Amino acid sequence: DIQMTQSPSSLSASLGDRVTFTCQASQAITKNLNWYQQKPGRAPKLLINDASNLETGVPSRFSGTGSGTDFSFTIDSLQPEDIATYYCQQYDRLPITFGQGTRLEIK
Amino acid sequence: QVQLVETGGGVVRPGGSLTLSCVASGFVFSSYGMQWVRQAPGKGLEWVAFIGYDGRNKFYADSVKGRVTISRDNSKNTLYLEVSSLRPEDTAVYYCAKDHRAARPKDFHYWGQGTLVSVSS
Repeated sequence: DIQMTQSPSSLSASLGDRVTFTCQASQAITKNLNWYQQKPGRAPKLLINDASNLETGVPSRFSGTGSGTDFSFTIDSLQPEDIATYYCQQYDRLPITFGQGTRLEIK
Repeated sequence: QVQLVETGGGVVRPGGSLTLSCVASGFVFSSYGMQWVRQAPGKGLEWVAFIGYDGRNKFYADSVKGRVTISRDNSKNTLYLEVSSLRPEDTAVYYCAKDHRAARPKDFHYWGQGTLVSVSS
């Protein structure tokens, strides 16, 4: 199975900050990676597919980059509504696997 | 707009079984792959199963293989997950999700609200 490792596990930042966290795959997955946002008590929401393609309706302050084994997710100018846990997910090979999540909090 | 509504969760004794349903609307159900994902309380996301648009392609996580059957009824816009030989570690919120693709799993484009399965004696 492909292991997805996200870091950090939690992150505290101030409103307006630029926030970046990473996701590393245990083997190369080209760009077959998606990012999700999950707010407490809610279902996750797909934000970015294929490593860098923003889903329709997702604010442009969110972005993703990377290929192979190393990926990053960035929020420009952190907003209160961005408080959530963020997950990466690979679909290069079955089984589909998720990272353990990065929990984002307001400082 | 896309809607996915799961039902069928509840409290089940270890070794028991149940069937989860997911009714879809707002898109052409028969054109897309569908998936089940679960989330144990306070834990991360775990992929469970995928079914292709026509029901022919089915893939399962090793943790549930042999105990779970994914199926769909395109005439009823409904996705199913039959789970048997339930274990306490199967306790989770089970989400159904629509994939972007039709025949191979890629993503979880839209999600239902989830249904809680609790396995306890």
